[in-house]
Amino acid sequence: AQSVTQLDSQVPVFEEAPVELRCNYSSSVSVYLFWYVQYPNQGLQLLLKYLSGSTLVKGINGFEAEFNKSQTSFHLRKPSVHISDTAEYFCAVSPLNQAGTALIFGKGTTLSVSS
Amino acid sequence: EPEVTQTPSHQVTQMGQEVILRCVPISNHLYFYWYRQILGQKVEFLVSFYNNEISEKSEIFDDQFSVERPDGSNFTLKIRSTKLEDSAMYFCASRTGGSYEQYFGPGTRLTVT
Repeated sequence: AQSVTQLDSQVPVFEEAPVELRCNYSSSVSVYLFWYVQYPNQGLQLLLKYLSGSTLVKGINGFEAEFNKSQTSFHLRKPSVHISDTAEYFCAVSPLNQAGTALIFGKGTTLSVSS
Repeated sequence: EPEVTQTPSHQVTQMGQEVILRCVPISNHLYFYWYRQILGQKVEFLVSFYNNEISEKSEIFDDQFSVERPDGSNFTLKIRSTKLEDSAMYFCASRTGGSYEQYFGPGTRLTVT
């Protein structure tokens, strides 16, 4: 079975500051990793994904994440945030090469960007 | 850009009533999913559907739940006899056969009174 831990439930930050949202996972099999964003009253939108290859992946809106297999982490970063980045961010995993491939989500991190 | 749509956006029902939540996945997608998010909690997997049958389901997806793809475009989640604890946001998602990226709809907020 898989599980995902998002270490921070809320992250307040000032505009133009850097931010890191932490995600650790546990799994007995190899997994794919994802970050989704949920803006108020909207559905989940994929920010970025790691399937294989380079451990540093870039996504939309200037976000990037680094897969660290030894630490079983997939932290999300942005060098300079905007007010519009205020949203809920979810880390998720799914097991490799299995039919169905349900996503297992963390509890989410609320990013609040203020001026 | 194609997107997953869900109707209704908000449904209020009385305990014990049946509800059907509707989703229209992206047209060339082959895998379909339902997830739910109880207020303040994480998004939880309910069921996945492929080739007209359930491919995986969670412990939450008990006999009160069923899914159906009645035609070539709709994907529905039925709850036979709703309980207060079924109150949640329900998300539909879909993906192609070659990608593990799931595309989510905007959700249906179900309120059971």
